Amino acid sequence: DTGVSQDPRHKITKRGQNVTFRCDPISEHNRLYWYRQTLGQGPEFLTYFQNEAQLEKSRLLSDRFSAERPKGSFSTLEIQRTEQGDSAMYLCASSLGPSNEQYFGPGTRLTVT
Amino acid sequence: RKEVEQDPGPFNVPEGATVAFNCTYSNSASQSFFWYRQDCRKEPKLLMSVYSSGNEDGRFTAQLNRASQYISLLIRDSKLSDSATYLCVVPLTDSWGKFQFGAGTQVVVTP
Repeated sequence: DTGVSQDPRHKITKRGQNVTFRCDPISEHNRLYWYRQTLGQGPEFLTYFQNEAQLEKSRLLSDRFSAERPKGSFSTLEIQRTEQGDSAMYLCASSLGPSNEQYFGPGTRLTVT
Repeated sequence: RKEVEQDPGPFNVPEGATVAFNCTYSNSASQSFFWYRQDCRKEPKLLMSVYSSGNEDGRFTAQLNRASQYISLLIRDSKLSDSATYLCVVPLTDSWGKFQFGAGTQVVVTP
C-alpha cells in the first residue's frame, strides 16, 4: 500500500494527558499537511511542511500543539494537556508539490474524556 | 463573509437525475481549485481539479466563474454510489501552502 498512513486510527484519552499521532506520507511527496475535522465541517488547516521545514501554522494551532517532520519523511503531531475541545478527526495529507493535489490518510479520531 | 462557502444541502436526488451545486470563494487571487468527495467517517478523496474555466471527467463537470468567484460541480446520471459530501477546496496563498476547505455539500441519491 503506497498511500498515506496514520497511526493510531483511534485514540481515547483523558483530559490533561498528552497524545502523539504519526503520519507517513506517500514516499516521494515533499509536502505534508495536518488538518483537524469536526462533525459537519470541512477539514481545518493546522500546519504544513516542505520536506523537514514547517512553513506555516494556523492560528488554530495553540501552544499545546506541536508538529515535527525531522527527516522530511514521516511527521508527528503532539497535543499536550488535552482538552475536550480537542476531540476531532486529525487528518494528514501529502502532495508532490505546492500546486499538486493532496492525498489524505485515513485520519486519527481523538476522543478526550 | 467566509473564505469558502457551500450550501450544506442535503440535495436529495433521484437516481439517474442531474444535480449541481456551487462553491463561492472570497480570495480573487486564487488560481486553481479542487473538488473532493468524502464518505461518512472516511477521509476526503480527490474528485477533480479545476485549473482554468472548467474540467470534465465522465459524469462530473466542474466549472469556474472567476468574475463571480464561484465554482460549480454538476453530476449527471446520478448513481447511488454518488451519495457523499462534496468538499470545495481553494488554495489561499501565493505559496500554495494553505488550502481552505468548504464545509461540504451533502448529496443523497435515492432509488
